[in-house]
Amino acid sequence: EAGVTQSPTHLIKTRGQQATLRCSPISGHTSVYWYQQALGLGLQFLLWYDEGEERNRGNFPPRFSGRQFPNYSSELNVNALELEDSALYLCASSLGGSSSYNEQFFGPGTRLTVL
Amino acid sequence: AQSVTQLGSHVSVSEGALVLLRCNYSSSVPPYLFWYVQYPNQGLQLLLKYTTGATLVKGINGFEAEFKKSETSFHLTKPSAHMSDAAEYFCVGGANSKLTFGKGITLSVRP
Repeated sequence: EAGVTQSPTHLIKTRGQQATLRCSPISGHTSVYWYQQALGLGLQFLLWYDEGEERNRGNFPPRFSGRQFPNYSSELNVNALELEDSALYLCASSLGGSSSYNEQFFGPGTRLTVL
Repeated sequence: AQSVTQLGSHVSVSEGALVLLRCNYSSSVPPYLFWYVQYPNQGLQLLLKYTTGATLVKGINGFEAEFKKSETSFHLTKPSAHMSDAAEYFCVGGANSKLTFGKGITLSVRP
């Protein structure tokens, strides 16, 4: 069974540009989560999508946005990139419903570098 | 609000020694608690989870954790460390449909 996949593996952008990151969940999972793992800041929750709807959002500005498609894959968009957006972005998927107890399966991440 | 505290950022043990990684939580509601591990250049993997029931939780690779409500703790232990256990370990709390990650602890294992 294929795990969570993310693309691209690495992404290099300049300040002010937009970045689009993609995630495909494990087959049968309807929930997708996005996390930012920045140096020195730990792993922070960004967004949770379930059945195409945004269910919860972390403490990030509106320029971080995303969506979930009918096939449950997801995109994370970061507009007006800033240097501090440089981080590893992790996607996870789980069975649907409350995120509090469903095991989340993580992808390998996308390394975003903003120059 | 749910929060998770991992004391220290780095733990070093000798191969064969006891591994103890500490985690304390604060919550106004009964928590769900997890330990995840991140091996170098890999994604996170679930080690074990506590939802309800037995307070001693056994996970993969010989790890276990004990939920102690009186101490608001969920420490991770392994009786004998292996070189392959070197990784970053995250204690995670879940409540009200939101997960909160601790800052993580890097475990080094000396030969």
